Amino acid sequence: DTEVTQTPKHLVMGMTNKKSLKCEQHMGHRAMYWYKQKAKKPPELMFVYSYEKLSINESVPSRFSPECPNSSLLNLHLHALQPEDSALYLCASSTNRGSYEQYFGPGTRLTVT
Amino acid sequence: GESVGLHLPTLSVQEGDNSIINCAYSNSASDYFIWYKQESGKGPQFIIDIRSNMDKRQGQRVTVLLNKTVKHLSLQIAATQPGDSAVYFCAENPGDYKLSFGAGTTVTVRA
Repeated sequence: DTEVTQTPKHLVMGMTNKKSLKCEQHMGHRAMYWYKQKAKKPPELMFVYSYEKLSINESVPSRFSPECPNSSLLNLHLHALQPEDSALYLCASSTNRGSYEQYFGPGTRLTVT
Repeated sequence: GESVGLHLPTLSVQEGDNSIINCAYSNSASDYFIWYKQESGKGPQFIIDIRSNMDKRQGQRVTVLLNKTVKHLSLQIAATQPGDSAVYFCAENPGDYKLSFGAGTTVTVRA
């Protein structure tokens, strides 16, 4: 299994809602990543988890809260988002943090109303 | 084949021709580079990588060239097919285990 899955595919939420994005991989990878991608722009790194511990936070606002409950799962909890947070949220994984070949999921298209 | 000397956001290429996509990277300390392909509605997909101790690497129908003197990376696609239509991103490792992505080039293949 060489796939990274993400749910949901699409999400529409209001600014007062709380929602979560989910990412799963069964490749035995020990590094997992969240990226944000705006239309026609490259992915921007948000968080890196290495062996289930947060190792990089790219100064992301606290309304985004990542969680890595086990080596296969990565969540991104969303609360009190702004319309400018609307974007494609991509999850990726790699063998470990030192391996740069990252496998990406299809993303969750988030719209904040 | 079609090519761009400097990075341009779009590239239109005739089916069957060769494509060359260029990328200028910023950090002379970067030691690893990757090309990703992103089709509409999908996440980026790994194409090919190259380390800084190499200047050329070939894959299936793709070749990556690295010129460290001018900090330039290129991706050559042989015999471009309709399925090659996508956005192509180069990415560099500037250190601390992160990838930094370039702006991307949208390739459109004309039948």
